[in-house]
Amino acid sequence: EPEVTQTPSHQVTQMGQEVILRCVPISNHLYFYWYRQILGQKVEFLVSFYNNEISEKSEIFDDQFSVERPDGSNFTLKIRSTKLEDSAMYFCASSDWVAGTGELFFGEGSRLTVL
Amino acid sequence: DAKTTQPTSMDCAEGRAANLPCNHSTISGNEYVYWYRQIHSQGPQYIIHGLKNNETNEMASLIITEDRKSSTLILPHATLRDTAVYYCIALGWYGGFKTIFGAGTRLFVKA
Repeated sequence: EPEVTQTPSHQVTQMGQEVILRCVPISNHLYFYWYRQILGQKVEFLVSFYNNEISEKSEIFDDQFSVERPDGSNFTLKIRSTKLEDSAMYFCASSDWVAGTGELFFGEGSRLTVL
Repeated sequence: DAKTTQPTSMDCAEGRAANLPCNHSTISGNEYVYWYRQIHSQGPQYIIHGLKNNETNEMASLIITEDRKSSTLILPHATLRDTAVYYCIALGWYGGFKTIFGAGTRLFVKA
């Protein structure tokens, strides 16, 4: 069964460093998303991406964050100048709103720890 | 997208049906009801969705009231592995780019 894959599974970084989280969405999906979940809290929407541009973004997704689809398979989330409060689980998801009915398929997540 | 209301937590005995309610009294005619679950800290998993007819798949059944103001997710024979947080989301096509998760219902399946 096709699945969304994310790397790394866990990354530890120093405050102020830049981090890139990588995702390979399901191959025929056209809509991509990033969510985050701070430990013990709910899953929060960050950004959606379609046709090589951001479709929607939340208030959390400020200038510190950026997304990119550098090639035909990868979808990345870049976090610049990381802060302690960026420590969270980051989930990538993809969906097919054309042939499918919009359900999201999530990866297993990348745990980011900022020290 | 319409707001949904779910109980904070529920218990269910292993092997019995788990019935998880969701209220969405302000749902509009073109909004679907989606259910996801999150087991521990894994990525959320899609379960089922429906518009107005009851739906069933290999994981669960979804019962939507005739007025569409509420729905129930049914896990027919709950197992310990069904212990998770279950999310009910009302979503229209226009909201398709932004699925918003609430607090959900924490289901504990007990042996």
